[in-house]
Amino acid sequence: DAKTTQPPSMDCAEGRAANLPCNHSTISGNEYVYWYRQIHSQGPQYIIHGLKNNETNEMASLIITEDRKSSTLILPHATLRDTAVYYCIVLPNYGGATNKLIFGTGTLLAVQP
Amino acid sequence: ETGVTQTPRHLVMGMTNKKSLKCEQHLGHNAMYWYKQSAKKPLELMFVYNFKEQTENNSVPSRFSPECPNSSHLFLHLHTLQPEDSALYLCASSQTGLPGNEQFFGPGTRLTVL
Repeated sequence: DAKTTQPPSMDCAEGRAANLPCNHSTISGNEYVYWYRQIHSQGPQYIIHGLKNNETNEMASLIITEDRKSSTLILPHATLRDTAVYYCIVLPNYGGATNKLIFGTGTLLAVQP
Repeated sequence: ETGVTQTPRHLVMGMTNKKSLKCEQHLGHNAMYWYKQSAKKPLELMFVYNFKEQTENNSVPSRFSPECPNSSHLFLHLHTLQPEDSALYLCASSQTGLPGNEQFFGPGTRLTVL
């Protein structure tokens, strides 16, 4: 079972920031938070990941709360092409663990013109 | 274009047929994965291969038989499938099978079992 909970859907106006929340209250100290997205009829695409510090790349920013029980993915200027299902995934990162993504139902982000 | 290709993109087969799905990655990765995405269900991991060795079988029925002849190719052999096996089958690869390695996904094969 997925260890995360996300709202099933969100809307965002084109050009505005999209803030997608994720709850992972049972996360343990050696688990990272990963975000992937899946545009309709395509395979999932990696966006970003983090442990406890905030992270930023060319696609998005990831804000993780100090207690690490929740995080927010921020798309700073959403475009219509950002319409997709966004998955928040918790993944252990220690010796012996496998790179096994467990997907939940994600958040369907609809960017409106 | 992610560097991971899958063929065929669409496949219709009867329950008595034998068919194979093919995945190829051009990224120099050493780990490959099969996922299944059924309608209205989350993506499910099926198999993981790391350096050609199977490291994960997520209780997949034996009518699905994976094969990894080298680090660049992954097959999923299908035999005596059921209509409920109709789904999008996605292949992915990563540098290794260790956590922290970003997975790159192919476009998937849409399978319909009649």
